[in-house]
Amino acid sequence: DAKTTQPTSMDCAEGRAANLPCNHSTISGNEYVYWYRQIHSQGPQYIIHGLKNNETNEMASLIITEDRKSSTLILPHATLRDTAVYYCIVPSGSARQLTFGSGTQLTVLP
Amino acid sequence: DSGVTQTPKHLITATGQRVTLRCSPRSGDLSVYWYQQSLDQGLQFLIHYYNGEERAKGNILERFSAQQFPDLHSELNLSSLELGDSALYFCASSASQGPYGYTFGSGTRLTVV
Repeated sequence: DAKTTQPTSMDCAEGRAANLPCNHSTISGNEYVYWYRQIHSQGPQYIIHGLKNNETNEMASLIITEDRKSSTLILPHATLRDTAVYYCIVPSGSARQLTFGSGTQLTVLP
Repeated sequence: DSGVTQTPKHLITATGQRVTLRCSPRSGDLSVYWYQQSLDQGLQFLIHYYNGEERAKGNILERFSAQQFPDLHSELNLSSLELGDSALYFCASSASQGPYGYTFGSGTRLTVV
């Protein structure tokens, strides 16, 4: 898997946008970027994934830079329930499983 | 409800014992993945099955084994349990063999005393 680098922790005020960065400078041309989150002790939850174009769904937006070496997950209006560990994952083309790193602990503050 | 069912939710057992964790994947999903998450540790991939066949192994101990049955449910067997095996065990399913669109269950919390 391509190595990803994420900040260990971030805070965000409730109602504001949460922008979570991820560096993946060794990403290959056909490798996708996946984002999952894990709310304390619950099973991880899929958020979004993308290849090169920006993606948006009901949960979040994913902005991938033109060189694809980094991406940003955006939660447009963070709520207290968005407090979780967010994982950015870039599985290799041959990988059959997701490898979770340390992720970013996002704390949404009231 | 994610559609992936794991039983039991909680399990307390003694060292040296053997337990079986069960996972029913989401309807139509052929892949089942098992992960272990120890206290304050990350998610460690254990093993992947696709349509009854083992496809990939991660950091799974020899004391651990798994299988996927014709009805696609999967079981993770943990034997000769040690205190360090206490952890959350998650199962995930997906429709394909690749790392796409995992759906995780709510996990089984195993406590070895």
